[in-house]
Amino acid sequence: DAGVTQSPTHLIKTRGQQVTLRCSPISGHKSVSWYQQVLGQGPQFIFQYYEKEERGRGNFPDRFSARQFPNYSSELNVNALLLGDSALYLCASSSYSGGAYNEQFFGPGTRLTVL
Amino acid sequence: QKEVEQNSGPLSVPEGAIASLNCTYSDRGSQSFFWYRQYSGKSPELIMSIYSNGDKEDGRFTAQLNKASQYVSLLIRDSQPSDSATYLCAVKIAGAQKLVFGQGTRLTINP
Repeated sequence: DAGVTQSPTHLIKTRGQQVTLRCSPISGHKSVSWYQQVLGQGPQFIFQYYEKEERGRGNFPDRFSARQFPNYSSELNVNALLLGDSALYLCASSSYSGGAYNEQFFGPGTRLTVL
Repeated sequence: QKEVEQNSGPLSVPEGAIASLNCTYSDRGSQSFFWYRQYSGKSPELIMSIYSNGDKEDGRFTAQLNKASQYVSLLIRDSQPSDSATYLCAVKIAGAQKLVFGQGTRLTINP
């Protein structure tokens, strides 16, 4: 079975630009979460979506937004890029059963560099 | 106080020995705990999950959880050079859907 997929793999942007990152979850998983990982740190939670609705939001500015589509794929948008947005952006998918979200599995990530 | 704390290392262990990785967390209501392995330049890979007090074994890996002490650990037996990676402890905070990660412990297995 295919795992979580993300595109693009790498991206270089300049300050002030906008970027869209894409994620497809594991087949059968309806929950997608986005994380930002800066070099040398653990991932930081940005958003969680389930059944196309936002279910959680981390401590990130409004420049960050996301959405989930009917096929459960997701996009993360970042506007007005800053140098500090340079990071590995990770998408994780999980299933939902028994009233709880299960283990999260990560995609390969998108490496964003802002110049 | 950070929500999830790990010793950043580096932790150096000889091949064949036991590597012990530790993690503490601050939220007493947390119920789900995970260990991820992350090779340099790659994304985190789930290697263990634990939900109840005690030990959980999977091959060479053993996760240990002590909710009273708010402590979770990962033991790697018969360490191999391929175990060299950063190990991330993650906690699912009660009442939230997100995972909170420690900063990771860099482990090096010396042949």
